[in-house]
Amino acid sequence: SSELTQPPSVSVSPGQTARITCFGDALSRRYAFWYQQKPGQAPVMVISKGTQRPSGIPERFSGSSSGTTVTLTISGVQAEDEADYYCQSAASSDSYVVFGGGTKLTVL
Amino acid sequence: QLQLQESGPGLVKPSETLSLTCSVSGGSISSSSYYWGWIRQPPGKGLEWIGSMYYGGRTYYNSSLKSRVTISVDTSKNQFSLKLSSVTAADTAVFYCARQIPSVGGYYFDYWGQGTLVTVSS
Repeated sequence: SSELTQPPSVSVSPGQTARITCFGDALSRRYAFWYQQKPGQAPVMVISKGTQRPSGIPERFSGSSSGTTVTLTISGVQAEDEADYYCQSAASSDSYVVFGGGTKLTVL
Repeated sequence: QLQLQESGPGLVKPSETLSLTCSVSGGSISSSSYYWGWIRQPPGKGLEWIGSMYYGGRTYYNSSLKSRVTISVDTSKNQFSLKLSSVTAADTAVFYCARQIPSVGGYYFDYWGQGTLVTVSS
């Protein structure tokens, strides 16, 4: 299957830890990439190749992987982290891009 | 700093062809290190990859759209383009162009345009 499955929503209070999961068969063979999208803006990558944090992304963002599930963890969530988060990987070949359905992170 | 800018009609009639152009500045579209892609997002919904291309002409398309999509490049203008034929209201979306990194283990997007809304309506 080329699908990536994410929970529609996650809610946390400021300062707590948010964990957003993404499941898919492809993730056992290929990397996961995570994007943050705020309303009216283009997506911004926050995690590359499963665990790497691009330049300029706060250290509170981290990624992990276990089998067919990857997790984006945001430690010490801040109000500014409220956004939609999308996982992305590849299916059938490295060049065939698939996105998860997205998770809306709400900071209570 | 690399910048990408989408341009094209904001309104397209059903059954017609949607045409968008992505202008790249701050870098060359002819670089052998990158691919260039299109992604769309229907209002209130998630991201969908449409397809990608390499400046030499190689293209990759989402199988669900392949029969209607053409992505091409104009290296002289440092632009690449998207054509989506036989559009319906379901094709209404914000369309993004983006630079794609060809990585072993998965290609990904590191720079995105701001997006442009295209509405399909008569």
